Formats: sequence, C-alpha cells, structure tokens
Amino acid sequence: QVQLVESGGGLVKPGGSLRLSCVASGFTFSDYYMSWIRQAPGKGLEWVSYISSSGSTIYYADSVKGRFTVSRDNAKNSLYLQMNSLRAEDTAVYYCARDVVVVAATPEYFDLWGRGTLVTVSS
Amino acid sequence: QLVLTQSPSASASLGASVKLTCTLSSGHSSYAIAWHQQQPEKGPRYLMKVNSDGSHIKGDGIPDRFSGSRSGADRYLTISSLQSEDEADYYCQTWGTGIQVFGGGTKLTVL
Repeated sequence: QVQLVESGGGLVKPGGSLRLSCVASGFTFSDYYMSWIRQAPGKGLEWVSYISSSGSTIYYADSVKGRFTVSRDNAKNSLYLQMNSLRAEDTAVYYCARDVVVVAATPEYFDLWGRGTLVTVSS
Repeated sequence: QLVLTQSPSASASLGASVKLTCTLSSGHSSYAIAWHQQQPEKGPRYLMKVNSDGSHIKGDGIPDRFSGSRSGADRYLTISSLQSEDEADYYCQTWGTGIQVFGGGTKLTVL
C-alpha cells in the first residue's frame, strides 16, 4: 500500500526540541523529493521544507530557517524533521508529502500526503 | 512575490456544479498550479495539476466530476454533480525555485 505515516508529535515547552519521522511504503522512496508541510489549528497549509531524493538539496521556509533541519535515510525509507527552539507559533499538524519533479530538479506538486502528527508548543 | 489568492468560502447545492478560483500574483500568470482537497479531520489529498495551457493531470482515483481550467492568471477547479463528501477545504498550490506556496484555501459548503 502506497502511504506515508508520520510520528513523533507531542507537547513540548517553548524553546524545546522535537524530532518528527515519516515512514514511506509502497513506492521507491529514494526516487522522490519529499516535503514537510504544516497546518496551524483552524488555519491553512504552510510549506516548511523540502529535500531532494539524494538529500543533497534542501530548502526551508523563512519562518523555520535556522531552527529546523530536514534529513532522510533512504535505506530506512524515512524522512525526518528536527525542530529546535520551538515557539508557540510552531503549533500545528505536520504532514509529510511526496513531491513530483517534472523539470530540472524543481519539485512541483505533492501527489501523496500523510495523515499528519500534531505538535503543540505550550508551557 | 509569488502569491495565490482564493475566496475564503463558496457554497452550492447537492447535485449542482461549482467553480472555485485561484488567482496568481502579478508577473506569474503563466505558472501551473495544483489543487488539493482536505475533508474535515483528514489530511489533504492531491486532486490535479492545472498547466499553463489549461490542461490538467489528475491524481489516481479522482472522479471525472472534478476538472481544471484557466483564464489568464486565474486557475479553476470545477466540481460537477456535487455530493455531500465534496464538502471540504480546497487549496491551490504552486512552486518556484526553493519555495512552495499555498493559497489560503476555500471552504466549500454543499447545501
């Protein structure tokens, strides 16, 4: 079955850290760029980061740059998001998603989404 | 700056059709976009990519009731023969080098 399953969410205090994981199954994970996207309670979708299939190319949204680190382990079909210096405004459901790349190593749209994991930053 | 604008809400009757709009910011009218559906309490689901020429590429299992089109900087998602399960939030999304951008979403109510 083609799917993405996130885990690692929970309650953390401001300034704390958390590591999210996303396990892929049913497709060749190492062929795909992958992204993290988040959704604050009652709000819209916000792209957080993407990583190329080899892990050599990484981009972040300005809102998380310098605090979050994305990585992957293709041998384990896994994507990770290390989140440090967490703030209340990082409270959200975090989704991992599979990117489709059509032209020139630029990820375009997300054709597969996970169900998400909730991160709550509160004292 | 690459921005997508969507109306916050839309409504239509069961069995009718509805056309949702996503507008690309000035200077970006040739960009392709993608549409995603998010039903209540669920993760998003990819519906289709709408190319700059108006052609679209649907995701697996997306019914023929869903179609995409364009006019200038506007990209459209049309849903015909509305069903109760179509009540959801609909997001458009586009991309550039090193960025991905979402519209604010349209909440569709099926009356």
